[in-house]
Amino acid sequence: AQSVTQLGSHVSVSEGALVLLRCNYSSSVPPYLFWYVQYPNQGLQLLLKYTSAATLVKGINGFEAEFKKSETSFHLTKPSAHMSDAAEYFCAVSHSGAGSYQLTFGKGTKLSVIP
Amino acid sequence: GAGVSQSPRYKVAKRGQDVALRCDPISGHVSLFWYQQALGQGPEFLTYFQNEAQLDKSGLPSDRFFAERPEGSVSTLKIQRTQQEDSAVYLCASSPSLGGGYNEQFFGPGTRLTVL
Repeated sequence: AQSVTQLGSHVSVSEGALVLLRCNYSSSVPPYLFWYVQYPNQGLQLLLKYTSAATLVKGINGFEAEFKKSETSFHLTKPSAHMSDAAEYFCAVSHSGAGSYQLTFGKGTKLSVIP
Repeated sequence: GAGVSQSPRYKVAKRGQDVALRCDPISGHVSLFWYQQALGQGPEFLTYFQNEAQLDKSGLPSDRFFAERPEGSVSTLKIQRTQQEDSAVYLCASSPSLGGGYNEQFFGPGTRLTVL
């Protein structure tokens, strides 16, 4: 069975500060990992995904994440927070195979950016 | 281009009523997923369609939940005899590909269901 743990349901950073959102996964097979962002009253938007091509993955809006197999982690970072980054962020895991390949999500981390 | 759309955006139902939630995926997308997102939680998988075939319904919480996609495009999630615990946001997602867990799923804005 696969699972995702996001440490910290709520993270606050100052504008211009480093953003670090933590995600640890559990998977019995090599995982595909995703970060999605959700703005209020909107659907989820893909930030980036890990598909085994490279361990450091760059996404949209200046976000990146590093896959660390030894730590079973896929933390999301951004060097300098912007007010527009305030949203809820979800880490998710999937695996390939026949039939369904649904996403298993963490509980989410709400990011607040303080001006 | 048009993304995934869902209707209605908000639905209030009295306990015991039946509801139907509609999803219009991106045109040409083969795969379609339904997720349930309770307040303060991440989305949880309900069911998966590949074209018109429902290949996985393991996430449906009870036999009161039913989903269909008869022509391989629009999908409807129906909840019979709604209960208060059914209150949640129901998200629909579509994907252009058949297989591979690495494919992006494109999400709609969701339908917020409130059962009184």
